[in-house]
Amino acid sequence: NAGVTQTPKFRILKIGQSMTLQCTQDMNHNYMYWYRQDPGMGLKLIYYSVGAGITDKGEVPNGYNVSRSTTEDFPLRLELAAPSQTSVYFCASSPPGLRIGSSYEQYFGPGTRLTVT
Amino acid sequence: AQSVTQPDIHITVSEGASLELRCNYSYGATPYLFWYVQSPGQGLQLLLKYFSGDTLVQGIKGFEAEFKRSQSSFNLRKPSVHWSDAAEYFCAVGGMNRDDKIIFGKGTRLHILP
Repeated sequence: NAGVTQTPKFRILKIGQSMTLQCTQDMNHNYMYWYRQDPGMGLKLIYYSVGAGITDKGEVPNGYNVSRSTTEDFPLRLELAAPSQTSVYFCASSPPGLRIGSSYEQYFGPGTRLTVT
Repeated sequence: AQSVTQPDIHITVSEGASLELRCNYSYGATPYLFWYVQSPGQGLQLLLKYFSGDTLVQGIKGFEAEFKRSQSSFNLRKPSVHWSDAAEYFCAVGGMNRDDKIIFGKGTRLHILP
């Protein structure tokens, strides 16, 4: 089991460029998440998905898009990169909880460090 | 609404000393509670979790945490820290209700003195 994998590990973008951060999990988890982590701010939820074909906005979705065509993959797209998107991005997955919409603990990937200049 | 407070941004302890990291939460029903650790340059790793039952839970790496409903707290403890415990620690709260997301605290960075 590789768990949650993310690529790339590091990336530098120029303002206005676009890119896709890849995330794959091999645990057959229904739920997947994208977070950004900024110093002293903890984790902020960008988007999440409760299953293939279903995505929803989190706390800070502006400037990002996601898709979930398979259970395994949950890519995050930045269309027009801005300096405010400089951050470390974490993908996570989770098995479903007792009730629809709830979840248990999350398993995290190693992160992608993105710099926009 | 769910929320998590970790009142200490930084904590410094000597190697071999005991450790307690504080976490207070707000949640309307019985919460799911978690502690995660993040070593520099790494993702978050689950240390332990509480869903129900015994309020003292044991985790990996010698950590334990105690759920105190009356104080809305879930403090993390370790009797004797090692230099390798230097990391950032995140408390998180989730719930069994539909649409409850896991909410993370802002983290406590632990420094270990030799």
